[in-house]
Amino acid sequence: GAVVSQHPSRVICKSGTSVKIECRSLDFQATTMFWYRQFPKQSLMLMATSNEGSKATYEQGVEKDKFLINHASLTLSTLTVTSAHPEDSSFYICSARTGEVGYQPQHFGDGTRLSIL
Amino acid sequence: AQTVTQSQPEMSVQEAETVTLSCTYDTSESDYYLFWYKQPPSRQMILVIRQEAYKQQNATENRFSVNFQKAAKSFSLKISDSQLGDAAMYFCAYRSVQGAQKLVFGQGTRLTINP
Repeated sequence: GAVVSQHPSRVICKSGTSVKIECRSLDFQATTMFWYRQFPKQSLMLMATSNEGSKATYEQGVEKDKFLINHASLTLSTLTVTSAHPEDSSFYICSARTGEVGYQPQHFGDGTRLSIL
Repeated sequence: AQTVTQSQPEMSVQEAETVTLSCTYDTSESDYYLFWYKQPPSRQMILVIRQEAYKQQNATENRFSVNFQKAAKSFSLKISDSQLGDAAMYFCAYRSVQGAQKLVFGQGTRLTINP
């Protein structure tokens, strides 16, 4: 089956650091990738949708300059949390799907637990 | 905008028994997808079952089945013969067939299986 690899699985860093999270589709071309944020005991909240080669579309309330998303190839999207602060600590999950016609499932990465000290 | 509501924050069931998780949604679209996802403590998102809105027949996957009531905008999940491995957070989700096709998740239901 289709595999999405997300790296790193866990990161702990100091306040003010910028952190990059990678999301890779290993065996399919991911035309569209999604980035979610999940606080403890809460649901997944969509942060942004990115299509390969174009700018990401951010959901209302998500700071574009804070959460930089790049989707430069059909197999890789990155989320960079710039100048991270403790309130950015959360679980971040990516998902990806192809752009083929008809139903195409979203394949999820295993998530990244970000802790800002 | 579409919304998904899960009114049961927690549910519990005895092993081998049957449990039903509730989900309602709001949309003005006539065609869409509905999903149930399972998130165990590992936090991996696992697709349990999918329903296309244009299909009247309820989807089933082994011990998992849904009761899809389109007019009522209701989409419940029934788990039969519950097993300890079914313990997890369960999320109901909506997805349009047009546009970005992003998933909209409900708040989740934490399911506990009692041995």
